[in-house]
Amino acid sequence: DSGVTQTPKHLITATGQRVTLRCSPRSGDLSVYWYQQSLDQGLQFLIQYYNGEERAKGNILERFSAQQFPDLHSELNLSSLELGDSALYFCASSPMGAGGHEQYFGPGTRLTVT
Amino acid sequence: QKEVEQDPGPLSVPEGAIVSLNCTYSNSAFQYFMWYRQYSRKGPELLMYTYSSGNKEDGRFTAQVDKSSKYISLFIRDSQPSDSATYLCAAEFYFGTGTSLTVIP
Repeated sequence: DSGVTQTPKHLITATGQRVTLRCSPRSGDLSVYWYQQSLDQGLQFLIQYYNGEERAKGNILERFSAQQFPDLHSELNLSSLELGDSALYFCASSPMGAGGHEQYFGPGTRLTVT
Repeated sequence: QKEVEQDPGPLSVPEGAIVSLNCTYSNSAFQYFMWYRQYSRKGPELLMYTYSSGNKEDGRFTAQVDKSSKYISLFIRDSQPSDSATYLCAAEFYFGTGTSLTVIP
């Protein structure tokens, strides 16, 4: 158990809908990262937050947004969902700021868009 | 060109063998390099990280980075069936697609 929690574990929704994924980092970690893992693309970095501020952005679609709250938990919002958004979404946390070379991953949220 | 390239395998070895897993990366500015292990689509687990070039050893695992050739390696000595998993290399935020390893008893 990495200490990173993610809810929900599974989510099934329809195209065009909007969902919110939640992540609680390890105690004391200030950085949160979001990743998408699909069978054909592997693990893709989406976005990083550090102590409430956006720190780095990867291949995150405009339909996706994230934020980190004062208690350091983070939410990833996915809107206008498409079939291709079906994937595992992982959150990771790190005790470092930029760089993030020591990341601890949560168990993931499996999103299925039908 | 992807930032990190990794041979997906699959790789199958007998128990006790030495396993060599390799990746290449494209950006010479990358400084941090990591290896993760992932079981059955669960969250990746950090195995080791190295900074810049050089070797790092942890038990049966050795991570090696050669910045001149942009090459990342992970060696597993005395491989065990419990090592069977997918191994992901990473440079900064960028991950390889993973190599599936099976260690046969």
